[in-house]
Amino acid sequence: DSGVTQTPKHLITATGQRVTLRCSPRSGDLSVYWYQQSLDQGLQFLIQYYNGEERAKGNILERFSAQQFPDLHSELNLSSLELGDSALYFCASSVDLLAGRAFEQFFGPGTRLTVL
Amino acid sequence: AQSVTQPDIHITVSEGASLELRCNYSYGATPYLFWYVQSPGQGLQLLLKYFSGDTLVQGIKGFEAEFKRSQSSFNLRKPSVHWSDAAEYFCAVGAIGVTGGGNKLTFGTGTQLKVEL
Repeated sequence: DSGVTQTPKHLITATGQRVTLRCSPRSGDLSVYWYQQSLDQGLQFLIQYYNGEERAKGNILERFSAQQFPDLHSELNLSSLELGDSALYFCASSVDLLAGRAFEQFFGPGTRLTVL
Repeated sequence: AQSVTQPDIHITVSEGASLELRCNYSYGATPYLFWYVQSPGQGLQLLLKYFSGDTLVQGIKGFEAEFKRSQSSFNLRKPSVHWSDAAEYFCAVGAIGVTGGGNKLTFGTGTQLKVEL
């Protein structure tokens, strides 16, 4: 158990819908990362937050957005869902921004999203 | 931009045999290197990491990896594989100083390990 929690574990929805994925980082970790794992794209970095502020963006679609709240939990919002958005979405956390320690990321169990 | 190549998509070994999973990275400076393992339906578990110093690093579950700068490689090894090691293994690189890159990890495509009893 990494200490990172994600809810829900599974999500099945229809095209065009909007969903919210939730992540709670390890106690004491200030950085939260979102990754998408799909068969065709592999593991792709989406976005990073540090202590409530957006830190870096990766290959995140405009239909997707995220935020980190004062209690440090994070939510990833996916809207206008398409079949191709079906994937495993991981949240990870790290303790701070210091080189080395920042890259040592602990992953949650993931949310499997299925868009029908 | 940094990149990671794992040339072997699938590897099958017999239980008790030795294992080596290959990883090559591309990055201009000294990278931060990681190996993660993903069991079916599970998240990613950190096996080991290289930041600096000794180029041979030990991890959990009896795994080790060696950083070779001249070959841009960070291969994962285990002297004797157990059936429970069957999983998918990902090599990842973290690169500082990349504009707008934050602290993201760039992952390879993974190597699926099958263990024959």
